[in-house]
Amino acid sequence: DAGVIQSPRHEVTEMGQEVTLRCKPISGHNSLFWYRQTMMRGLELLIYFNNNVPIDDSGMPEDRFSAKMPNASFSTLKIQPSEPRDSAVYFCANMPVRAEQYFGPGTRLTVT
Amino acid sequence: AQSVSQHNHHVILSEAASLELGCNYSYGGTVNLFWYVQYPGQHLQLLLKYFSGDPLVKGIKGFEAEFIKSKFSFNLRKPSVQWSDTAEYFCAVNALDAGGTSYGKLTFGQGTILTVHP
Repeated sequence: DAGVIQSPRHEVTEMGQEVTLRCKPISGHNSLFWYRQTMMRGLELLIYFNNNVPIDDSGMPEDRFSAKMPNASFSTLKIQPSEPRDSAVYFCANMPVRAEQYFGPGTRLTVT
Repeated sequence: AQSVSQHNHHVILSEAASLELGCNYSYGGTVNLFWYVQYPGQHLQLLLKYFSGDPLVKGIKGFEAEFIKSKFSFNLRKPSVQWSDTAEYFCAVNALDAGGTSYGKLTFGQGTILTVHP
């Protein structure tokens, strides 16, 4: 099993551009979580899904952020338009059993 | 809403020293508790977990943690640290509602950076 796969691993973009981050969860795992990590704010939960349905998106910072999980094999986090303060490492995590989350390698986003 | 507090932002130790990282949470109900480790430039990895039973749990790489319900604490310990333990450590809590449902949502502490000098 390859674990949670995220792409791209690094993204550098200019302010105002649309950014799409992708996550392929571990097959058969029902819950998926998107986190953002920065030095200033630490690890923040943005949104999470259960059986492809968004359960709680209260952590999404602004309307510029949106996330989808069209099927059990794929999720996206989109930022449109991006801003420099969105620069962070974005992690996707998957939960096979009982709250034990497996994290992907993360996407390091830099918005200039 | 529940919160998780890690007492130390940065801990610096020499190899072979003993380690204890504090973690307290605020939630009166049933919880699942975790410690994750993040090595420099890497993603979070599960170090150990507590769901029920023996409050002293053992994890990978010689780490252990003790759940003290009366103190709402879940401190991480290691009797003798190594240089390779240099990393950031996160305590996390999964709070279950009265029906035992949580969807696995974790609340993380702010993290403790551990630096071990050879």
